[in-house]
Amino acid sequence: EVQLVESGGGLVQPGGSLRLSCAASGFTFSSYWMSWVRQAPGKGLEWVANIKPDGSVKKYVEFVEGRFTSSRDNAKNSLSLQMNSLRDEDTAVYFCARYDSGSQYPQHWGRGVLVTVSS
Amino acid sequence: DIQMTQSPSTLSASVGDRVTITCRASQSISSRLAWYQQKPGKAPKILIYKASSLESGVPSRFSGSGSGTEFTLTISSLQPDDFATYYCHQHYSYPLTFGGGTKVEIK
Repeated sequence: EVQLVESGGGLVQPGGSLRLSCAASGFTFSSYWMSWVRQAPGKGLEWVANIKPDGSVKKYVEFVEGRFTSSRDNAKNSLSLQMNSLRDEDTAVYFCARYDSGSQYPQHWGRGVLVTVSS
Repeated sequence: DIQMTQSPSTLSASVGDRVTITCRASQSISSRLAWYQQKPGKAPKILIYKASSLESGVPSRFSGSGSGTEFTLTISSLQPDDFATYYCHQHYSYPLTFGGGTKVEIK
């Protein structure tokens, strides 16, 4: 069974940093594109970042480019999102997701982790 | 960026109703569209991929159609478990984008 478990969320002040992790199990992690998607309180879904199976290609939404960095450790079946220079508007639940075998769409999702940016 | 516009934003319906949700893309996305269902406090769940392919395990009352810029998600006979928010998602080009969501409420 595919399982994705996010961790590392919490309360951080504006301008601060946080590192999210996503522990994957139940599949061959190194074979799949992975994604981060977020959802601000009461709002819709917003794509944040994608990373290729070998980590060689990373894509970001414009408003996190230069502040967020996605990485993966295929030996540890782990995905990470390093978030720097956090802003109030980054407050959201962050989901990690695994793409389908054809690399077309996010198929399996974790439960998400809450990040609150506030002074 | 490709904008995804869903309508309606809220829909009130009764059990047994046929429900249709529309998603329009600001430019052609071929059939690179997925539909998700999300319930409060839960992760999104994939329903439809490639615009019209039903994800394994999803009830057959869900169906998707369309290509290019106009897409629909249809629930043929609404069930109590279907009251939720639905999102379309284009995976044609970066930045990937989602529609604003359609909340299906009990009438």
